[in-house]
Amino acid sequence: NAGVMQNPRHLVRRRGQEARLRCSPMKGHSHVYWYRQLPEEGLKFMVYLQKENIIDESGMPKERFSAEFPKEGPSILRIQQVVRGDSAAYFCASSPLLTGELFFGEGSRLTVL
Amino acid sequence: GQQLNQSPQSMFIQEGEDVSMNCTSSSIFNTWLWYKQEPGEGPVLLIALYKAGELTSNGRLTAQFGITRKDSFLNISASIPSDVGIYFCAGRDNNNDMRFGAGTRLTVKP
Repeated sequence: NAGVMQNPRHLVRRRGQEARLRCSPMKGHSHVYWYRQLPEEGLKFMVYLQKENIIDESGMPKERFSAEFPKEGPSILRIQQVVRGDSAAYFCASSPLLTGELFFGEGSRLTVL
Repeated sequence: GQQLNQSPQSMFIQEGEDVSMNCTSSSIFNTWLWYKQEPGEGPVLLIALYKAGELTSNGRLTAQFGITRKDSFLNISASIPSDVGIYFCAGRDNNNDMRFGAGTRLTVKP
């Protein structure tokens, strides 16, 4: 049973480019969470999605950041016009239930030059 | 979101020593989870707690869900070098929001 799959594991972008991070939840999981982690810091909640719905995006910057979890395919976190401050590890987690445990992927490490 | 206070921020211990870390919340939580993160990896779930007063073990790890539902602790007995990493607590509140503590960075000296 495959775990949460994130890709790419590492992504390098120049300022102003777009970054797309993908997350395939564990089989049977319909709840997806995105977290951001800066070096030497904890996990900061960004957004919580169910299939085709954004449930809570209170942790996501209002501009340049968007997330989706379509009916088919992975969840995508999209960052437009990246800036150096976007450099971080972005973790996706999935859960089978609203009240269930979260299982994390390996993360996508974004570096903005 | 809810504020989770995790302490200590970091610990430096000798191999074989016991370790204790805890998390407190300003509000009631329905679930407490403890994760470990190693460098370059994602957090891995260690222990999940669902009821006030619950005490659960996973090998040398023991965690408890506080009676007040506002705190939890994690103990590691007889630490070994591979226990090195960052330990995060996480709690789910009445709104089903999941929040994480800032982490406890554990260093074990052989």
